Amino acid sequence: ILNVEQSPQSLHVQEGDSTNFTCSFPSSNFYALHWYRWETAKSPEALFVMTLNGDEKKKGRISATLNTKEGYSYLYIKGSQPEDSATYLCARLWLGSQGNLIFGKGTKLSVKP
Amino acid sequence: DAGITQSPRHKVTETGTPVTLRCHQTENHRYMYWYRQDPGHGLRLIHYSYGVKDTDKGEVSDGYSVSRSKTEDFLLTLESATSSQTSVYFCAISDPGALNQPQHFGDGTRLSIL
Repeated sequence: ILNVEQSPQSLHVQEGDSTNFTCSFPSSNFYALHWYRWETAKSPEALFVMTLNGDEKKKGRISATLNTKEGYSYLYIKGSQPEDSATYLCARLWLGSQGNLIFGKGTKLSVKP
Repeated sequence: DAGITQSPRHKVTETGTPVTLRCHQTENHRYMYWYRQDPGHGLRLIHYSYGVKDTDKGEVSDGYSVSRSKTEDFLLTLESATSSQTSVYFCAISDPGALNQPQHFGDGTRLSIL
């Protein structure tokens, strides 16, 4: 199993702050990188699926970038709001897998009003 | 929301008893997955299925078996439950005909083994 690492493990910010997290993964046999948002007591919800080196995706105040050659992805949240509080998971899909994702342990974001 | 239903949503049982969790989908997706979620471990794959009667092991398959007799149902069985299997279990589905599509998750089953 090729590990996916996420940092930081947790993050506490004030409302209005912008923040970013990192997802690191082995770059060999890369196929796709997924980001999910997971609120407490709910199920993970897909944010982005990224496949190409240099990909940038955006959904509202949340955006992500991908570097497949060096094996990392950044997730950015601009102007954090209390409703952004959640655990953000990244997961890697590799060539030859049966759609199986290897998940990182997540970054838990808390946004204080 | 993707049509995924997990049952039961909560279960408490005793060590040594058999337990079966059900995942039902209405999306006709070929791939289905069972994960467990534990503090400090994130989501870990238990078993997955890539079609009717086609299943394979994931990262943490020991102590679990699965069956898929029809497209819409994927069952996870703990033959003899142990306390270490206390966890939250999530089912997910995907359509890897397009591998840039995300997985869609059910609402989870909270299982406590006493």
